[in-house]
Amino acid sequence: GPKVLQIPSHQIIDMGQMVTLNCDPVSNHLYFYWYKQILGQQMEFLVNFYNGKVMEKSKLFKDQFSVERPDGSYFTLKIQPTALEDSAVYFCASSSGTGRNERLFFGHGTKLSVL
Amino acid sequence: QQQVRQSPQSLTVWEGETAILNCSYENSAFDYFPWYQQFPGEGPALLIAIRSVSDKKEDGGFTIFFNKREKNLSLHIKDSQPGDSATYFCAASANNNRIFFGDGTQLVVKP
Repeated sequence: GPKVLQIPSHQIIDMGQMVTLNCDPVSNHLYFYWYKQILGQQMEFLVNFYNGKVMEKSKLFKDQFSVERPDGSYFTLKIQPTALEDSAVYFCASSSGTGRNERLFFGHGTKLSVL
Repeated sequence: QQQVRQSPQSLTVWEGETAILNCSYENSAFDYFPWYQQFPGEGPALLIAIRSVSDKKEDGGFTIFFNKREKNLSLHIKDSQPGDSATYFCAASANNNRIFFGDGTQLVVKP
């Protein structure tokens, strides 16, 4: 079936550094999402993105977070600077639209470890 | 405020038994309830979903029972197999709004 690819699968960085998580969404999808998961539970919504803009973001999407998808390339989540509490698995998802109840396709996640 | 609640947090059943995972929600406007299945090291994947106009949805050995008046639903996994061991997320959304996930139920099926 359709696949969302996330690169890298694991990233280890020092607190205060910048990190960029990359997502290659399903090719004809238009809506993109980032979720944060801690300890294998609680899929926490961060942000959704459409047509070059953030459509909605949660309280977890701090000022240090930003997203973009320049020229149809990777959909990225940048954290600058990182904090210890940013350690989690970040899942990218995409959907073909927000027509009624669109199915989300998730990547395998990027595990971010902030030391 | 937690929009979607799941219970139990973890569940262990024997192979061949029916596993029952529960879910409740707060927002009466929710009209679509997908269940996502997640294996370790992978992202969640849509398993089965129900709309609020229905009270039951079956797909293979998976059945959703939905009670709109009580604002709860349950996922029944019939004849559970060890390969069904995973975390199951109940989710909910209203029209074109975003999906709210519950905290998940970790299911272990023992052979």
